[in-house]
Amino acid sequence: EAGVVQSPRYKIIEKKQPVAFWCNPISGHNTLYWYRQNLGQGPELLIRYENEEAVDDSQLPKDRFSAERLKGVDSTLKIQPAELGDSAVYLCASSFGGGRTDTQYFGPGTRLTVL
Amino acid sequence: GDSVTQMEGPVTLSEEAFLTINCTYTATGYPSLFWYVQYPGEGLQLLLKATKADDKGSNKGFEATYRKETTSFHLEKGSVQVSDSAVYFCALSFIGGGADGLTFGKGTHLIIQP
Repeated sequence: EAGVVQSPRYKIIEKKQPVAFWCNPISGHNTLYWYRQNLGQGPELLIRYENEEAVDDSQLPKDRFSAERLKGVDSTLKIQPAELGDSAVYLCASSFGGGRTDTQYFGPGTRLTVL
Repeated sequence: GDSVTQMEGPVTLSEEAFLTINCTYTATGYPSLFWYVQYPGEGLQLLLKATKADDKGSNKGFEATYRKETTSFHLEKGSVQVSDSAVYFCALSFIGGGADGLTFGKGTHLIIQP
């Protein structure tokens, strides 16, 4: 069974440029999550989707970040414009259900460097 | 809000030593508890989980018991190997209680020397 796929794996951009990350969850998983992991820290939730609906985006900096999950499968996370402090690893995860006992499966992440 | 506290690293042990990585949590509800592992150059992988008090999760020789009375979920292994070198994250999930997603600790870097 294929795991969570993310692309690109690495991205280097200059500040004020836009950037987008793509995620394809495990087939059949209805719940999709985006996390941000700063160096030396644990991941922090940015947004959670149930099918195509964003059910929790309270931690997403909405002035510059946006996300979508069209047709309830693939998802895209965008930053426009990027700032130096956005340098981090962006992780996508998926789970079959959205309950507290459901296991989340993580992709390899996209490492973003903003210069 | 919900939070997870892990012991600071790096933790350096010799091969075949006994391992304990402490994890305590603060939650207003009744969370599920997880240990994830991140090997060098790889993504986060679930190591084990427990969903209710006194449950014991186990995998690959690692064990952790959900202790509600001490709000703890310490990770243990009787005899570590060099291949266990990785970063270990304790996490809790309390979806539906106003804290969606996983709340992670900062991670503990484990180094096993031959």
